[in-house]
Amino acid sequence: EAGVAQSPRYKIIEKRQSVAFWCNPISGHATLYWYQQILGQGPKLLIQFQNNGVVDDSQLPKDRFSAERLKGVDSTLKIQPAKLEDSAVYLCASSLRPDSRGNTIYFGEGSWLTVV
Amino acid sequence: AQKVTQAQTEISVVEKEDVTLDCVYETRDTTYYLFWYKQPPSGELVFLIRRNSFDEQNEISGRYSWNFQKSTSSFNFTITASQVVDSAVYFCALSEARYRDDKIIFGKGTRLHILP
Repeated sequence: EAGVAQSPRYKIIEKRQSVAFWCNPISGHATLYWYQQILGQGPKLLIQFQNNGVVDDSQLPKDRFSAERLKGVDSTLKIQPAKLEDSAVYLCASSLRPDSRGNTIYFGEGSWLTVV
Repeated sequence: AQKVTQAQTEISVVEKEDVTLDCVYETRDTTYYLFWYKQPPSGELVFLIRRNSFDEQNEISGRYSWNFQKSTSSFNFTITASQVVDSAVYFCALSEARYRDDKIIFGKGTRLHILP
């Protein structure tokens, strides 16, 4: 079974530029997550989708971050304009069924962003 | 409040030694789920184990074992006869069943160095 796919793997941009990350979850997984992991810290949830609806975006800096999952499968996370403090690994994850609890969340390899 | 504490920031042991990674959690819920993930240098978070709050049985999987104690709100992870390939950052995580959808909170991680 294919895992969670993410691209690009690495990106370096200047501050105030924009960047977009793409994620393809495990086939059949209804829930998709974007996490931000700053060096030396644990992952922090930015946004959670169930199918193509947002169920939690309370920690997403909406003035500069946006995410969508239009057809309930792939998702894109955009940052515009980027700040130095956005340098982090952006992890996409997915889990299977929204009708049960404690589902295991599976992660992609992450997109490593450096803002200079 | 929901919280996961991994007090050990970094641990170094010599290969073949046993090592225990501590995890203490806080939750007001009676139903919750605990997880351990491994993050090797490649960046991907690899799922290791999920345990629900009603199952306090300790679990062993090869050289890995987990000790879940509700009385002390701990879910510790032991690697027996450690190997260099075990070097990684290990995250403990918590998900509460009261949320409509799975939401997982991570600790800050413990960086484990296995020295040859």
